[in-house]
Amino acid sequence: NAGVTQTPKFQVLKTGQSMTLQCAQDMNHNSMYWYRQDPGMGLRLIYYSASEGTTDKGEVPNGYNVSRLNKREFSLRLESAAPSQTSVYFCASTDTTYEQYFGPGTRLTVT
Amino acid sequence: GEDVEQSLFLSVREGDSSVINCTYTDSSSTYLYWYKQEPGAGLQLLTYIFSNMDMKQDQRLTVLLNKKDKHLSLRIADTQTGDSAIYFCAGSTDSWGKLQFGAGTQVVVTP
Repeated sequence: NAGVTQTPKFQVLKTGQSMTLQCAQDMNHNSMYWYRQDPGMGLRLIYYSASEGTTDKGEVPNGYNVSRLNKREFSLRLESAAPSQTSVYFCASTDTTYEQYFGPGTRLTVT
Repeated sequence: GEDVEQSLFLSVREGDSSVINCTYTDSSSTYLYWYKQEPGAGLQLLTYIFSNMDMKQDQRLTVLLNKKDKHLSLRIADTQTGDSAIYFCAGSTDSWGKLQFGAGTQVVVTP
């Protein structure tokens, strides 16, 4: 089992460019989440998907879109990147309320 | 929503006990969690406690919950250098498992 995988691990974008962060899990989990981590602020929820075919906004959704492609995959898209979106992005999945399994993260820098 | 606050830094000598503190605002939090993040890695669940419990012990870890004061603590006995990491307190108030994280406490263990 690979658990939760994320690609890419690192990315540098120029302001205005677009990109998609990929996340996949092989644990047959129903729920998946995207968080961003900024220094001194902990993790904040961007979007989540409670089950295949559904997505909902979290605390900081502006500037992002998501797609739950199938049960395994949940992608996060930045349509027009801004320096304020420089952050570390984590994907997580769960099938219970007890434990979320996190991926290794994507470090994104927007210049 | 939930606000979660933690002290930002803790220095402890190897072999001593560490105590990391957290306060939360939402009394309807159903689950409270402690996650560990090592450098360059994602988050790993250490332990969790239901809101109807006062204490939970798991090997070297002891979680204490004071519901009246909305205070959560994590005690690590016999702290080792491998315990150096950032520790996040998190709470969940809904069945979708959406987590509200504190900013994290950096624990540095010195020989």
